Amino acid sequence: DGGITQSPKYLFRKEGQNVTLSCEQNLNHDAMYWYRQDPGQGLRLIYYSQIVNDFQKGDIAEGYSVSREKKESFPLTVTSAQKNPTAFYLCASSRRTAGELFFGEGSRLTVL
Amino acid sequence: GIQVEQSPPDLILQEGANSTLRCNFSDSVNNLQWFHQNPWGQLINLFYIPSGTKQNGRLSATTVATERYSLLYISSSQTTDSGVYFCAVEVNDYKLSFGAGTTVTVRA
Repeated sequence: DGGITQSPKYLFRKEGQNVTLSCEQNLNHDAMYWYRQDPGQGLRLIYYSQIVNDFQKGDIAEGYSVSREKKESFPLTVTSAQKNPTAFYLCASSRRTAGELFFGEGSRLTVL
Repeated sequence: GIQVEQSPPDLILQEGANSTLRCNFSDSVNNLQWFHQNPWGQLINLFYIPSGTKQNGRLSATTVATERYSLLYISSSQTTDSGVYFCAVEVNDYKLSFGAGTTVTVRA
């Protein structure tokens, strides 16, 4: 089945550790995105990529890093510089930038 | 940046009731989408509707771009309609900006 797979679904880490969240899509979409959602709030854009080997910062990129070496993959690293990393992270993709958006099931990160 | 306001913030419905959710935005947009987030966090795209009216089963949406608002209609609501409904808009920068959402609870 076509879709977006995020892993892991749940992740616990100690403060000061970097963590990498995986996002893979088999929809042949050009654009991919990472959003962060905090309890009771909307989604905020962390990074997005319109094409392989290119990505741009979103509204809250500080403390995060990404790569886009393959069309299907857009991993997100939450670094120790991110001051409040506990959140629900959602990966999304669209056929073209700002096209109809499809989401993965999300990864819930808790930093202890 | 663009402001996206959704109302009401919370809505409680009896099963079978109809309802209207509203999304106001502060600037002209190229793109507007409605999403439903279920209680487990999964986000589903309901409509891609920069203008006009679309229907999908018991749901329909209307966007009046010139007046900067969009409406989502839920008819004959079911308990599975519970969750958070988000409106998201894109101006000219290829980024979707999300509203804070409307939390809908449908009671049996």
